[in-house]
Parts: sequence; structure tokens; C-alpha cells
Amino acid sequence: KAGVTQTPRYLIKTRGQQVTLSCSPISGHRSVSWYQQTPGQGLQFLFEYFSETQRNKGNFPGRFSGRQFSNSRSEMNVSTLELGDSALYLCASSPLVVRGALQETQYFGPGTRLLVL
Amino acid sequence: DAKTTQPPSMDCAEGRAANLPCNHSTISGNEYVYWYRQIHSQGPQYIIHGLKNNETNEMASLIITEDRKSSTLILPHATLRDTAVYYCIVRVGTSGSARQLTFGSGTQLTVLP
Repeated sequence: KAGVTQTPRYLIKTRGQQVTLSCSPISGHRSVSWYQQTPGQGLQFLFEYFSETQRNKGNFPGRFSGRQFSNSRSEMNVSTLELGDSALYLCASSPLVVRGALQETQYFGPGTRLLVL
Repeated sequence: DAKTTQPPSMDCAEGRAANLPCNHSTISGNEYVYWYRQIHSQGPQYIIHGLKNNETNEMASLIITEDRKSSTLILPHATLRDTAVYYCIVRVGTSGSARQLTFGSGTQLTVLP
């Protein structure tokens, strides 16, 4: 099976712009989570989507939003970019259930590195 | 989720076993222990997880103490490619609960030639 894919891999934006990042989960995986990684704060949870609904949200401002499509693909959007939004944005997918058994292990993609100037 | 404590760094000689410890003294009965690693600038890679029994897969072994307050990840024959930050995470694994992973600072494992 192909792994989690994220596009684009690298992105440069300027302050005030907005950005949309895309994540394609592993085939058959139903849950998609997003994380932000910065040198100062480490890896932090942003939100999780399952069945096109946000199920869980981390402690980030409303400028960070996301959505999930019927095919489980997900996008996250950051509006009014700030310098501090420069980070590696990681997407992780999880099957949730495999052959009737709970399977919540998350598998990460390579990330999108965003630089805000 | 319970907090974890890991040493900030460890070295290991290539070909030897790498034993990475993790303390999780406040772990609850329904919390799993997960291990991930992150090679520089890449996404975290899932290694292994367990509840109370020891677990082994093609990558590593996980030893959980009987009181579940600590665990050890064992890479049986470390290679240079195992150099990475290793994260020990404990979280509830019941359906419908918050599934987020809370990453700490991890252990920087350096495998030396």
C-alpha cells in the first residue's frame, strides 16, 4: 500500500497570505490528523477528521482550519499567515478498525515544510 | 494522557542492541504505550505499541514492566540508519476517545560506527 502523501512538500508564503495543504491518507484509512512541528514547541496536535467531521481539536487559533472529503482526503488551511506559522505540517492517517478490531495506530506522511517570510 | 520521561540523548555502537527507556509512572490501566521515531526532517515513523504484554515486530521489541510504570524499546542490532529521535507516548486506545498523540521531547539516539 502507498503511504500517506502530502502536497506540496515545500512552500514559501508571505505574512498575511493564506495557504492550503493537502493530505491523502493510506487507502482504507478513515481518520486523518494534522500536527504542527516547530523547533520551539515540538510536535503539536492540530485537529482530527473522521467521516468528514472534525472530531478533536488542539489548542490553535481559528486561523487554522481543515476539512475532510468523502474519499477521506483532507486539507488544512491557514489564513492570515504569521511568521510563527513557519513549521513542518504533518498529516497522519489511521484505519480505526481493521477486520472488526480496533486499530488506532497513526501513520505519518513526510510533511509539508512551510516558510512564512 | 499520562506523561512520559525519556533521557534526552543516548549513543549506541553499530551492531549492538539499543535499549531506550521510558518512564510513565502515572499510566492508567487503559493506556497503551506507543513508540515512534523521527529521522531528521521526516515524518514520524510508527515502531511498535503495547498494553501490558511484551511485543515484538520486525523493527523492535517492547518490554513493559509488570507494574506498567516503565518500558524499554529494544532495537536488536542498531544500524547507522537507526539514528533518530525516539518518542515514547502513552494514550488511551478506546474508540471514540481523543486519538491525538502527545509528543514529548524524545530521546536522540545516535548510532556510532
